[in-house]
Amino acid sequence: GQQVMQIPQYQHVQEGEDFTTYCNSSTTLSNIQWYKQRPGGHPVFLIQLVKSGEVKKQKRLTFQFGEAKKNSSLHITATQTTDVGTYFCAGIPWSAGGTSYGKLTFGQGTILTVHP
Amino acid sequence: EAQVTQNPRYLITVTGKKLTVTCSQNMNHEYMSWYRQDPGLGLRQIYYSMNVEVTDKGDVPEGYKVSRKEKRNFPLILESPSPNQTSLYFCASSLSTGGYEQYFGPGTRLTVT
Repeated sequence: GQQVMQIPQYQHVQEGEDFTTYCNSSTTLSNIQWYKQRPGGHPVFLIQLVKSGEVKKQKRLTFQFGEAKKNSSLHITATQTTDVGTYFCAGIPWSAGGTSYGKLTFGQGTILTVHP
Repeated sequence: EAQVTQNPRYLITVTGKKLTVTCSQNMNHEYMSWYRQDPGLGLRQIYYSMNVEVTDKGDVPEGYKVSRKEKRNFPLILESPSPNQTSLYFCASSLSTGGYEQYFGPGTRLTVT
């Protein structure tokens, strides 16, 4: 079955440093979503990427979808303490017969700690 | 307020005692899904439902049942819970299919002894 690997598992940064988490799928994806989960909270949707090579920005966050639609990354510029949390990617598999948008596979998540 | 609610939020039970975790959404969403979250494993999909009376297995369906009799409700049933089902469970919904933004409930922390 489809596997989505996310690295690193943990990342500790000083406030102001940049941060990147990477997501790699074993199969081609139809689209990929990114979520953030604050400590003790529930996942909250950040963004969805659909097109090959797509790049989207949200303030200090930059999201990329690979040309082959098998990998993605989230980059945060100049981290702040409010960025603390776990970042998850979630891939929806592509199928030749038309995408079944039911199944999502999440990566293991990257836990980000920001030291002030 | 648009939201996904889950009950109970915390539950401690014993092996073999049937339990149901309820999930309800007030956004008229067609798609609903259940996940379990375990340290180092991320979120794993248990079951999902594309619409009323339509359910399908996710990646880890063993030991769980679901039903979708009404659009707003998607209960998760553990017929005979075992300790390896101790986990944090999240229900989520989205407008239509998984290709839309998913809204998550607050989570249910289940301990099976």
